[in-house]
Order: sequence, then structure tokens, then C-alpha cells
Amino acid sequence: AQTVTQSQPEMSVQEAETVTLSCTYDTSESDYYLFWYKQPPSRQMILVIRQEAYKQQNATENRFSVNFQKAAKSFSLKISDSQLGDAAMYFCAYSGTSYGKLTFGQGTILTVHP
Amino acid sequence: KAGVTQTPRYLIKTRGQQVTLSCSPISGHRSVSWYQQTPGQGLQFLFEYFSETQRNKGNFPGRFSGRQFSNSRSEMNVSTLELGDSALYLCASSYGGTGNEQYFGPGTRLTVT
Repeated sequence: AQTVTQSQPEMSVQEAETVTLSCTYDTSESDYYLFWYKQPPSRQMILVIRQEAYKQQNATENRFSVNFQKAAKSFSLKISDSQLGDAAMYFCAYSGTSYGKLTFGQGTILTVHP
Repeated sequence: KAGVTQTPRYLIKTRGQQVTLSCSPISGHRSVSWYQQTPGQGLQFLFEYFSETQRNKGNFPGRFSGRQFSNSRSEMNVSTLELGDSALYLCASSYGGTGNEQYFGPGTRLTVT
């Protein structure tokens, strides 16, 4: 079974600074996908970024980028120029060959200080 | 494009009752996945439907069931409610291929008293 671990229950950052959220995963599958989702207080889950495991290039979406280390099974999220609206719970998620199933980590609460 | 919608947004039920939750996917999406979110267990996968067929199921008791209609709308049913079923129930839609992005609805908050 696949597992996803987020070792940082809480993180904080100053507005305009950079923060990195950590995620590790365990799998025996060779073909899989990794995601970061954001859940603000409204509880609406929002897709932040997606990484295909077979691609060596790290995914980037505007201020959000990942550091994907396949051998280490590590998938961290970097948020640059942090904004107050980035404050939320962030979930790392794994998708493999099991249809429609995302396996989530425990989440990291990100606080952004003005 | 309209996003994923879920109804109702809030529900209060009594132990032993049953409940049906509804999810309408993004237009063109044929896959609907359901998740349960609780403070203790986090986000857990319930099941996934694609073209009216259940393709995948998580580790939940048989009291949790679902179905999907020809227009891809999906319903989830929980029978004989227990206090532990209190949770936020999220559905997500996608095109249904492996690794496709899942887009989530706002959730249904179920409280069992």
C-alpha cells in the first residue's frame, strides 16, 4: 500500500518570503503522479500543482514549484513571494494505478504573517 | 465551466438514520471519487465511479454505498448512521484516466447526533 507522510504539522512564513513544505511517500509502483492541494478555511480543496513521476523536470505554477526527488521519494512544495491568501492547510497526495484514488498526507497548516 | 457542486452543504441526522449526498461533476468529467475527511483520520478514499460503474473502493463498511447516473452525477448513501460518521464528505471529478487531476466540490458537512 502507498503511504504519504507530511512531517510538518504547522509552518509559518512572513508575507513576501519563501517557504518550503515537505512530503515523502512510499510506493512500489513505477508509474504514479503526485499532487499538492490547498484547503483554506472555506474547506474547498484547490489543486495547486501536479507532477508526473516519469518526468525529471520539476513542475512549476506561477509562485508554486516542487522539488521532486524520485530516488529519495520526496516531493516538497516551495511557495515564493508568500501572500496572505496562501494561508491554508496543504495536502500532499499520491495517485498510482488505483483508479480515482488519491492517498493524502496528514496536512501542513501554513500561516502567513503580514 | 461550472465547478463541482455538492448538495446539501450541511446535514444533521440522528443515529440509525440514513442519508444521501449528491455530487454533480464538471461538465465532460466521467469519473467521480468520494472522500471522507475527519480530524482524526484525515482524508480517506471511499469509492470511485466511472461511466456508472464502481471501479474502485476504499476500506469502508458496506453501510457506505454509491451510484452514478448516466449524466455522471453521483450519489453516496450511508445507512444506519453512527456517531463516527460525522465528517466532511468531499467528492471530486476528473476525466477518469490514471493520474488525471481531480477537482473537488465544496463538501457536505454531516453531523450525526
